[in-house]
Amino acid sequence: ETGVTQTPRHLVMGMTNKKSLKCEQHLGHNAMYWYKQSAKKPLELMFVYSLEERVENNSVPSRFSPECPNSSHLFLHLHTLQPEDSALYLCASSLGQNTGELFFGEGSRLTVL
Amino acid sequence: GESVGLHLPTLSVQEGDNSIINCAYSNSASDYFIWYKQESGKGPQFIIDIRSNMDKRQGQRVTVLLNKTVKHLSLQIAATQPGDSAVYFCAEYGGATNKLIFGTGTLLAVQP
Repeated sequence: ETGVTQTPRHLVMGMTNKKSLKCEQHLGHNAMYWYKQSAKKPLELMFVYSLEERVENNSVPSRFSPECPNSSHLFLHLHTLQPEDSALYLCASSLGQNTGELFFGEGSRLTVL
Repeated sequence: GESVGLHLPTLSVQEGDNSIINCAYSNSASDYFIWYKQESGKGPQFIIDIRSNMDKRQGQRVTVLLNKTVKHLSLQIAATQPGDSAVYFCAEYGGATNKLIFGTGTLLAVQP
């Protein structure tokens, strides 16, 4: 138990669907992250929020839309995805923004048909 | 450009032996380096880190060595156990980007 909880753990969606991934951290951290993990590729940073403000948008397509309503919750809204978006989406949190010590959730496995 | 990579994609060791996982990096301005462990079905978990002004740091059964001359990082696991089976990622932090950059990972398989 890392203190970072992601739901759902598995998601299958069609290209025209709209779905959302949810992340919640119980660690009192101020920064939250979305990473994409694909097979045989390094983890790709997607978004960073610090104190509920987006501080990093790593050239992610607009079909991925993050939302951080408070410092404990982070969402990733998905719309009109492509099959190549199928991957494991990992949420992480950290005490502050400028650190390499991240606490990851177990991920949401997304399959786009 | 910046890159963090691993020499061996898969490492197979016998239970009880020592394991060494290697990593090469290219950004000499990075402030520190981190090792993460990812077990099957789980997210990456922080293991140990080392600052750029250090050569060696020890944890419980793990040691990280940093050779800045050749830009090389290694993770040594003593008396490897089945529970150590996982993918290990090195990552670097700092420098011009102030971002955490992950390598591609090495799969450690522990044979009973």
